[in-house]
Amino acid sequence: GAGVSQSPRYKVAKRGQDVALRCDPISGHVSLFWYQQALGQGPEFLTYFQNEAQLDKSGLPSDRFFAERPEGSVSTLKIQRTQQEDSAVYLCASSLIREAFFGQGTRLTVV
Amino acid sequence: AQSVTQLDSQVPVFEEAPVELRCNYSSSVSVYLFWYVQYPNQGLQLLLKYLSGSTLVKGINGFEAEFNKSQTSFHLRKPSVHISDTAEYFCAVSDPSSGGTSYGKLTFGQGTILTVHP
Repeated sequence: GAGVSQSPRYKVAKRGQDVALRCDPISGHVSLFWYQQALGQGPEFLTYFQNEAQLDKSGLPSDRFFAERPEGSVSTLKIQRTQQEDSAVYLCASSLIREAFFGQGTRLTVV
Repeated sequence: AQSVTQLDSQVPVFEEAPVELRCNYSSSVSVYLFWYVQYPNQGLQLLLKYLSGSTLVKGINGFEAEFNKSQTSFHLRKPSVHISDTAEYFCAVSDPSSGGTSYGKLTFGQGTILTVHP
């Protein structure tokens, strides 16, 4: 595709609800990254995939967060039992060589 | 662990004036350095990156940055800004030895909001 696509662009969830955020990387990009960007802050790394393998999940803040990329292309970030502190923009990036390309993000608001 | 400090949270400037956005990093090892720009409701776009070689790096939209190893800085500059440069700018570092994540597993600063006034 032309760029990294994320959906939905906006998501409002009630506290305790589960949410799933989708990332469509640039076709052929091997590496995929998820970031969390809280209001007024820089993005913070969550997790990394190389093809379908999740090689680094050191940034996931709790066991309520998990991500998958079963066929090595589309990825889903799932947050269970959402809490107010999960409110943030979730960014996805994909990379082949020498540069990461970011999507527009999903803004999650937990009420 | 790596960290990045952007010394100014907001920088107001008049159109056609020069601007410098400051970035300092801390790392005990060599680093790759990046500047990204984020327009409202947009994703991050790479402006420029330093990997090795010449310490003066030129990027898109007339921006440049200088890597200073002794001062652990990577300040972003533009000699004459336009209204369209109004955006948030992020400095970031990564670990060159991390293989497949060298360009994507980034530690970002807190961001600097550049506002260009007519």
